[in-house]
Amino acid sequence: GAGVSQSPSNKVTEKGKDVELRCDPISGHTALYWYRQSLGQGLEFLIYFQGNSAPDKSGLPSDRFSAERTGGSVSTLTIQRTQQEDSAVYLCASSLAGLAGHSRRTGELFFGEGSRLTVL
Amino acid sequence: TQLLEQSPQFLSIQEGENLTVYCNSSSVFSSLQWYRQEPGEGPVLLVTVVTGGEVKKLKRLTFQFGDARKDSSLHITAAQPGDTGLYLCAGQSGAGSYQLTFGKGTKLSVIP
Repeated sequence: GAGVSQSPSNKVTEKGKDVELRCDPISGHTALYWYRQSLGQGLEFLIYFQGNSAPDKSGLPSDRFSAERTGGSVSTLTIQRTQQEDSAVYLCASSLAGLAGHSRRTGELFFGEGSRLTVL
Repeated sequence: TQLLEQSPQFLSIQEGENLTVYCNSSSVFSSLQWYRQEPGEGPVLLVTVVTGGEVKKLKRLTFQFGDARKDSSLHITAAQPGDTGLYLCAGQSGAGSYQLTFGKGTKLSVIP
């Protein structure tokens, strides 16, 4: 497809289980972002990839959260030993260049529809 | 951590009315973006403003970036039910920053 694709769209899991969320960005987009959106809250930055590298992982809430990106394309966000406070919509976005060396501005972010995670 | 405060948090108006939503910070941003998000979907970019005092118009929507690049406003003229959604502002903190800081959003409902 032409847009950012995320799966699963909905995930219900039990506390303590591990979950994997997948993001397939727009072809050719080198920058990939993960955000978390909780009810009544804005978007919380989690992690940013430029190609396969993650220059800054400081947005990840705890060491139970990890993310990887392979082949400069698909990314997986993994949450281990899920807790109820992890319940949220996890949004992935991609951008043509992120912050390219020649550009001072963050490019337009194209978001997927999100993965809604519910931890019981 | 730079914060963006959006107001009002909720807004319910009748079709045809005008409205303004605000995005404020004590920090300077090198650029600011406005997104609209509909239920079950991801945010979609409306506009990017980069110059202090800049005004951009998108049909019935007018966006303004404050002179000091710390605040922004979105004005909608003659609101339509199709304008209903969550309006989010997002700021880039510096020219070398890849990270966008998002506000909590203004949830707009336009009643026919």
